[in-house]
Amino acid sequence: GDSVTQMEGPVTLSEEAFLTINCTYTATGYPSLFWYVQYPGEGLQLLLKATKADDKGSNKGFEATYRKETTSFHLEKGSVQVSDSAVYFCALLTPSNYQLIWGAGTKLIIKP
Amino acid sequence: EAGVVQSPRYKIIEKKQPVAFWCNPISGHNTLYWYLQNLGQGPELLIRYENEEAVDDSQLPKDRFSAERLKGVDSTLKIQPAELGDSAVYLCASSLSGYAEAFFGQGTRLTVV
Repeated sequence: GDSVTQMEGPVTLSEEAFLTINCTYTATGYPSLFWYVQYPGEGLQLLLKATKADDKGSNKGFEATYRKETTSFHLEKGSVQVSDSAVYFCALLTPSNYQLIWGAGTKLIIKP
Repeated sequence: EAGVVQSPRYKIIEKKQPVAFWCNPISGHNTLYWYLQNLGQGPELLIRYENEEAVDDSQLPKDRFSAERLKGVDSTLKIQPAELGDSAVYLCASSLSGYAEAFFGQGTRLTVV
């Protein structure tokens, strides 16, 4: 069945470091792909999305490119800040039955 | 534009008591989701509505959980009776359609004691 696999956390980085959080997926057809962020005690916020192959989603300095050939949607940011500390979820939306499939989440800790 | 509104934010109840959560989706959004999220885990779908119709309730524990979405707008999720294991965050989300990005509310943190 359809699934999303994220790198395990926590990921701990120093401020201004480069961030990559890996996400790979298994799906039939052409799903839409999303990154959501959850700050402590908050709900999930849509960070960025991509709806077709080679699309690049971007927001708040974060980027992710929909790579169909490698079935990946890795999240990147060039210079992280302490305020980026949160849990990041990769998700896909299946075109067949409109199900949102979630990764397990990756906790990111940024140290000053 | 107002986001998804949920209430209450926090609820503490004794086991075997009933509890209800309310959700007001973004105006014009036809699809509404209820999710359960345990600490340190991703969200788990309980039920998805398209307008008034529950199109996916396969993961809803129907012996104690019920939901309704009257008039295809607001929705209520109820648990009766609550069990200790129901302690979690209950998230509501909405989207324009089944194939659009979902927007989430702040969630309701339920503690059953």
